[in-house]
Amino acid sequence: GAVVSQHPSRVICKSGTSVKIECRSLDFQATTMFWYRQFPKQSLMLMATSNEGSKATYEQGVEKDKFLINHASLTLSTLTVTSAHPEDSSFYICSATTGGSSPLHFGNGTRLTVT
Amino acid sequence: GEDVEQSLFLSVREGDSSVINCTYTDSSSTYLYWYKQEPGAGLQLLTYIFSNMDMKQDQRLTVLLNKKDKHLSLRIADTQTGDSAIYFCAESHFTGGGNKLTFGTGTQLKVEL
Repeated sequence: GAVVSQHPSRVICKSGTSVKIECRSLDFQATTMFWYRQFPKQSLMLMATSNEGSKATYEQGVEKDKFLINHASLTLSTLTVTSAHPEDSSFYICSATTGGSSPLHFGNGTRLTVT
Repeated sequence: GEDVEQSLFLSVREGDSSVINCTYTDSSSTYLYWYKQEPGAGLQLLTYIFSNMDMKQDQRLTVLLNKKDKHLSLRIADTQTGDSAIYFCAESHFTGGGNKLTFGTGTQLKVEL
């Protein structure tokens, strides 16, 4: 149980275009989803916290207009990287939880490369 | 803010035990977690421990928590080559948005034959 599916696993896009990444909880309802960014050989950096039906809470230094997060249902959250630039190239990982003290379950990540 | 520290690298021989250590600063942590990350993949939850527990064992995994010293360890018994990965410890505390995790820097475990 507790499977989180993230799609796509890998995407290459041109500079200036937008990319959407989906995060789905397959067998549970996720009241809260988190989006992380991971640089090579580094830990995960929390970008934003997304609660179903409300606006995402962004961490300091994360541009909300650049990283658009939508959590429209209890099983789906999306992260859209708008007007992507090469410096946005990274590994993006989502996680989901049923809330409260329940542990986080992670997707397999999306490798974004902006050329 | 919260800070979680781990040693960067650990090398063991197959069949030996591995011990990965983690220290944290947040005294209000509720749960502490161990995640495993294989190359190019997301994080796999291995185990977690509630902050009022001292130890938790799950098959080959043993978690020890010293809350006074804010020290967490993960022991892997009979380490196998398939255990080679990066291991992240994380501490959680509740925010208005739920269970927010702060991750350590990750420990790369290399298992040699």
